[in-house]
Parts: sequence; structure tokens; C-alpha cells
Amino acid sequence: KNEVEQSPQNLTAQEGEFITINCSYSVGISALHWLQQHPGGGIVSLFMLSSGKKKHGRLIATINIQEKHSSLHITASHPRDSAVYICHLLISGTYKYIFGTGTRLKVLA
Amino acid sequence: NAGVTQTPKFQVLKTGQSMTLQCAQDMNHEYMSWYRQDPGMGLRLIHYSVGAGITDQGEVPNGYNVSRSTTEDFPLRLLSAAPSQTSVYFCASSYLPGQGMSPLHFGNGTRLTVT
Repeated sequence: KNEVEQSPQNLTAQEGEFITINCSYSVGISALHWLQQHPGGGIVSLFMLSSGKKKHGRLIATINIQEKHSSLHITASHPRDSAVYICHLLISGTYKYIFGTGTRLKVLA
Repeated sequence: NAGVTQTPKFQVLKTGQSMTLQCAQDMNHEYMSWYRQDPGMGLRLIHYSVGAGITDQGEVPNGYNVSRSTTEDFPLRLLSAAPSQTSVYFCASSYLPGQGMSPLHFGNGTRLTVT
């Protein structure tokens, strides 16, 4: 079993829909990050979380440390949100990151 | 301020050839790391460094060497390329993880094909 599981693997939505991407993990962590990988391959960091909830524009990220689960929400989705979203974790007591396999999101106009 | 610069963007090697993937950052980051990205596998850590002269292995280090002689540069060496090393490689840097929740800054990637 992978230490980091993302769901769904693929997601197609209509413009304007509310989107949720989930990340579950089975190891102790210091921090959880969400990344966005554009169709051209570039990777940018969206959020860093160690507890609670963060919001940036139409993006909201939450984490439940007890349940070892994080969600990334996109409100009022737009075709420019089409990308692969990746959660990655800093394993407690180490400098090592592990990554989910990503969720491929396509938002249709 | 260029961020993280990776070169080359594309490379084709024959089995057994050697090459070095270059990575440089101008943000004075202590932490630098290399990943490979394969279809269906997600990104996997190859090697990382927490400062000049300090390197350590990640999840998939076999077949790769690294060194960190300066804060800015973290090259990845393939001594004898194998088809299994065909992948997209990313370099990333940050301030030391765990201090201030520093995000990883990624280079644009190198697509390597070994025939």
C-alpha cells in the first residue's frame, strides 16, 4: 500500500463546479504541501499545511492530522484550473518528501 | 532572480553513456533535491542535500551520484545510463524543511531518454 494515496486519479468537471481532491497518508508528517503541475510540465507550490485550513483565491486546502487526510477544494472552477494536482508530505524527523501520484483535472468550458 | 535553473531540457543517451544534469538556484536555499517522475508513479526522491558538502540518499538513489560543492549548484550524475532511467527529472530547492514551512521551488524539468 502506498504511503500517500490521492483520489480521484482523474476528474472532469464543467466550468463553475466545486471540485474536491483528496489526499490520505499513513506516515507521520511535519508538513503537507499541494502542488499544481501545468500541462507543459512546470510545477508550482500552492499550499503548505501543518494544521487547519488555508485559502488562496478560489483554492482552499484543509488538513486533519488525526485522520491523516487533506483535501484541496477549487470553487467556481475554470478551464485554466486544468492541471495535475499533487500532494506531497515531509516525513517527520527527516528531510525526505514523498508524493502522491496526482489527480488529473480537466475543466470544460 | 532566475529561481531554479535546470539544464538540459531534453537529452537522449545510449545505454552505458554518462551525463550530468545541472541544477542551480539563486535563492540561497540550503535544501536541494532531485526527483524523477514516471507515469503512474508520482515524483520520487533520488538524492537530497541540506547544505554544501552534505548529501543523502532518497527513495531511488541507485545509478545516480550527486555532490554539493557550493550552495548554488547540485548536479546529478548518471555514470552508466540504463533504459530504466528514462524519465523526467526535476530539481527543487527550498529553505531547510521544517523551518518556517518553506515551499519547494522546482526547475522546469529534464526529459531523458535512454535507448
